[in-house]
Amino acid sequence: AQTVTQSQPEMSVQEAETVTLSCTYDTSESDYYLFWYKQPPSRQMILVIRQEAYKQQNATENRFSVNFQKAAKSFSLKISDSQLGDAAMYFCAYRSARGAQKLVFGQGTRLTINP
Amino acid sequence: DTAVSQTPKYLVTQMGNDKSIKCEQNLGHDTMYWYKQDSKKFLKIMFSYNNKELIINETVPNRFSPKSPDKAHLNLHINSLELGDSAVYFCASSPYPDRGTEAFFGQGTRLTVV
Repeated sequence: AQTVTQSQPEMSVQEAETVTLSCTYDTSESDYYLFWYKQPPSRQMILVIRQEAYKQQNATENRFSVNFQKAAKSFSLKISDSQLGDAAMYFCAYRSARGAQKLVFGQGTRLTINP
Repeated sequence: DTAVSQTPKYLVTQMGNDKSIKCEQNLGHDTMYWYKQDSKKFLKIMFSYNNKELIINETVPNRFSPKSPDKAHLNLHINSLELGDSAVYFCASSPYPDRGTEAFFGQGTRLTVV
């Protein structure tokens, strides 16, 4: 069974600085997808960024980018120019390309932005 | 124009009661899910339906019964509620999960059993 690990329960960063959230996963599959979701205090789960395992190029969405290291099974999220609105729980998630395509989530990282 | 909507948003009930949470999506997706988020914020799949058919049933007590009357709706009925059922329950939908499309989540239902 696949597992996802986020080793940082909490992180904090100064506004306008850059922060990196870590995520590692365990799988024997070669074809899968990885996601970062954001959960602000409103509770809504919001997709931040998505990566296909077959693509070597790291995904980027505005201030958000990932460092995808397939061999190391690592998928970190970098947030540049942090803003107060980035404060939230961040969840890394894995989805297989085959079988039961459920999302397997990590434990989450609570990100605080200091003004 | 909400994409995935759940009702109610909050539910407080006594142990032993039976309750339902409703979910509707207007995105035209074939696949819908129920996830449970516990007090430590950990999210775990409970059920998945594809076009009204159950395709994922994780190790969930049989007091939990999903029902999909049509592909736009996936309701969750819980019998004989227990204190440990207190959690936030999320409904979600996906268009093509086998192509790695994202899951769209509802706003969650916070269930408190007292």
